[in-house]
Amino acid sequence: AQSVTQLDSHVSVSEGTPVLLRCNYSSSYSPSLFWYVQHPNKGLQLLLKYTSAATLVKGINGFEAEFKKSETSFHLTKPSAHMSDAAEYFCVVSDGSSNTGKLIFGQGTTLQVKP
Amino acid sequence: NAGVTQTPKFQVLKTGQSMTLQCAQDMNHNSMYWYRQDPGMGLRLIYYSASEGTTDKGEVPNGYNVSRLNKREFSLRLESAAPSQTSVYFCASSRRPGQTYYEQYFGPGTRLTVT
Repeated sequence: AQSVTQLDSHVSVSEGTPVLLRCNYSSSYSPSLFWYVQHPNKGLQLLLKYTSAATLVKGINGFEAEFKKSETSFHLTKPSAHMSDAAEYFCVVSDGSSNTGKLIFGQGTTLQVKP
Repeated sequence: NAGVTQTPKFQVLKTGQSMTLQCAQDMNHNSMYWYRQDPGMGLRLIYYSASEGTTDKGEVPNGYNVSRLNKREFSLRLESAAPSQTSVYFCASSRRPGQTYYEQYFGPGTRLTVT
C-alpha cells in the first residue's frame, strides 16, 4: 500500500534563509510524487512533480525536490524563503495499485516565514 | 480557461438538511474527484469518477452520494447533513486514469458548516 509521511507539521524560517520540508513515502510500485501548496483560504496548486525522469525536479517559485529511492524520500527545498512562501505544503503520492489516478496526501506542513 | 469551478463557496446547513455541491471543469479531463479537508488530516478522498459513466468510493464515502452528470460535471450530495460533515470540500480533475503521473487540478473549495 502507498503512504506518505511529512516529518514536520510546522516549519518556521526567516526570510532569505533556506527552506527544507521533509517527506518520506512508501510505495510498492514505481511512484509518481507531487508537492502541492495551499495558501490560506485557497485551493491547492501544483508546485512540482516527479514521474521517473530526472531525480532532481524543479518547480515553480524557485522550489526543487530530489527523489531518493534508497531513502524513500522526496524532500522539498528552496534556497531563499520569501514572505509569500508562507502556506501549507502537501507531499502526495499516486496510488499505483489501481488505474484510477487516485492520490494519497500527507498531513501537510505549515511553513511560517518570519521577516 | 476557468479550470475547476465549485459552487457554492460557503454554505451553512442545519443538521438533517440536504444539499448538493457542484463542480465543473473545462479542461476536457476524464477523471474527477471529491475530497474533504479537515485540520491536521490532509485531504481525504470521498468519491471519484475515473471516467464518464463510472463512480467509485474513496476513503470516506459514508453520508455522501455523487453523480457524474457528464464529462464536465461531478456533483456531491449530502442527503442528511451531520455536524461531522463540517469541512472544506475540494473538487479536482485529471487528464485520464491509468497514468499515475497526471497531476490533479483543484477547485477553490466549498466551506461547509453544519450546525
